[in-house]
Amino acid sequence: GDSVTQMEGPVTLSEEAFLTINCTYTATGYPSLFWYVQYPGEGLQLLLKATKADDKGSNKGFEATYRKETTSFHLEKGSVQVSDSAVYFCALSPTSGTYKYIFGTGTRLKVLA
Amino acid sequence: NAGVTQTPKFQVLKTGQSMTLQCAQDMNHEYMSWYRQDPGMGLRLIHYSVGAGITDQGEVPNGYNVSRSTTEDFPLRLLSAAPSQTSVYFCATGTSTDTQYFGPGTRLTVL
Repeated sequence: GDSVTQMEGPVTLSEEAFLTINCTYTATGYPSLFWYVQYPGEGLQLLLKATKADDKGSNKGFEATYRKETTSFHLEKGSVQVSDSAVYFCALSPTSGTYKYIFGTGTRLKVLA
Repeated sequence: NAGVTQTPKFQVLKTGQSMTLQCAQDMNHEYMSWYRQDPGMGLRLIHYSVGAGITDQGEVPNGYNVSRSTTEDFPLRLLSAAPSQTSVYFCATGTSTDTQYFGPGTRLTVL
């Protein structure tokens, strides 16, 4: 079945460091791919998305490119801030009419001043 | 627009008690879903609905019931609470293949 695998955390970085959080997927069909962010005590909110191969999603300095050849959607940011500390979830949309979104287990990011 | 609202924010139950977690949306989305979030497990889908009167099971449906009588509301019922149901519960809404909008969550503790 469809699945999402993302790197384990926690990831601890200093402010202004480069961030990569790896995400790979297995899916039948052509899903859309998402990154969601969860700040402490809140629900998930969309960070960025890509709907087809080679699309790049971007928002708030974060980027991710839909790579069909490597089945990946890695999240990157060139210079993290303390305010980026959160849990990040990779997800894929339902394929083949299943109506079931698949989320990764989440990666906790802590940015130190 | 309130978006997606969930009540209550916190709840403590004793084993065997029943309760209903409420979820309401004003975004006119057909698709609604319930997830539970546990440490190290990510989000697991409990039940979902693709429209009023239509519901289906997700990954972890046992011990939970849902119904969908209106587009706006999608309550989740715990029939006989167990300690294993201690978790944070999120309701989400959206289209069936695009962005999901999440509520703020309900933190449930079962003693």
